[in-house]
Amino acid sequence: AQTVTQSQPEMSVQEAETVTLSCTYDTSENNYYLFWYKQPPSRQMILVIRQEAYKQQNATENRFSVNFQKAAKSFSLKISDSQLGDTAMYFCAFMKHEVSSNTGKLIFGQGTTLQVKP
Amino acid sequence: DTGVSQDPRHKITKRGQNVTFRCDPISEHNRLYWYRQTLGQGPEFLTYFQNEAQLEKSRLLSDRFSAERPKGSFSTLEIQRTEQGDSAMYLCASSYRAFGFNEQFFGPGTRLTVL
Repeated sequence: AQTVTQSQPEMSVQEAETVTLSCTYDTSENNYYLFWYKQPPSRQMILVIRQEAYKQQNATENRFSVNFQKAAKSFSLKISDSQLGDTAMYFCAFMKHEVSSNTGKLIFGQGTTLQVKP
Repeated sequence: DTGVSQDPRHKITKRGQNVTFRCDPISEHNRLYWYRQTLGQGPEFLTYFQNEAQLEKSRLLSDRFSAERPKGSFSTLEIQRTEQGDSAMYLCASSYRAFGFNEQFFGPGTRLTVL
């Protein structure tokens, strides 16, 4: 069974600074996807960034980037130039690759609440 | 708005009552997922449909829970004889099954409070 662990329940950062959220996971699969989702207060969850496990290059989406360490089973999210609108709960999630699973279900971590302070 | 919609957004019920939630996925999406999220935790998978077929159910889904997706369009999740432990946010997500990565789009959720 796959598990996802986020060990930082809460974090805060000053506006315009950089923050890194941590995530570790456990799986015996070789092909999979990893994601970071953002859930703003009282709003729906949206995908921030994804990483395919077979790709060595770390994914980047504007101010968001990941540090994917496959051997260590670590997947951290770096938010640069933090903005007030980044305040949200962030979830790390795992999905088996289509070749090994026909489900597409997501397995989430416990979440990290990020507060961006002005 | 062409996103995933859920109804109702909030539901308060008394223990022992039955409740039903509805999810309308994005129109061309053939996969639909239900997740449950308790306060301060990450969502947990409950069940999923490909078109009208329910292909997987989590062990979290006791026999008091039933889900349907008639005609492969909207889906309903029913909880019978609700218990206080059922209090949670119930999230629906949809995606289009095709080769490669298929992003799941989430609805706003239905928050259930069982008194």
